[in-house]
Amino acid sequence: DGGITQSPKYLFRKEGQNVTLSCEQNLNHDAMYWYRQDPGQGLRLIYYSQIVNDFQKGDIAEGYSVSREKKESFPLTVTSAQKNPTAFYLCASSIASPDTQYFGPGTRLTVL
Amino acid sequence: QKEVEQNSGPLSVPEGAIASLNCTYSDRGSQSFFWYRQYSGKSPELIMSIYSNGDKEDGRFTAQLNKASQYVSLLIRDSQPSDSATYLCAVIGTGHSGGGADGLTFGKGTHLIIQP
Repeated sequence: DGGITQSPKYLFRKEGQNVTLSCEQNLNHDAMYWYRQDPGQGLRLIYYSQIVNDFQKGDIAEGYSVSREKKESFPLTVTSAQKNPTAFYLCASSIASPDTQYFGPGTRLTVL
Repeated sequence: QKEVEQNSGPLSVPEGAIASLNCTYSDRGSQSFFWYRQYSGKSPELIMSIYSNGDKEDGRFTAQLNKASQYVSLLIRDSQPSDSATYLCAVIGTGHSGGGADGLTFGKGTHLIIQP
């Protein structure tokens, strides 16, 4: 069953903690992306990766970090430097870049 | 600053009628355009992609692109209650502020309600 998986579905973070969101795909896609969605807002690009061991900042990268050690995986770390991290986080992938993007189910992060 | 503009709605359409959703974009060099459907609490699902001027039909959905007017639209024929969702217009432009042209720029979405 091919697709994009994200875990966990819900995540709660205390102030000052770093948390890591998982994104895995078995579609053999080269490119992967992280977006953030706030209520009533469009999606905003955090980071993207066109190929293994390479990634680029998007429009709102401050307070976030990523790695791309494997083609299938693109984890996102929300650091304590991100002042307003409560949001819906969406991972996407595409065969190449730029190309049609497909989304995972998302992780909803709440800061306590 | 590249922008994608949509009327937030809600747009209310009777069941069986045609729903018309509109989107304008600011980056004249944009080449790829997408419509996603997003149900409440869920992730976006690709409905249509369009790259050339004119119409593209897929079942009950028709995407229309006019690059001269920087305008994209989505028509939904024979609207069903299951079509009630937020529809996101997205554009691949000619470069993000962080470098590269790879991410999508999204509008805020139009909330569509199909009334039975």
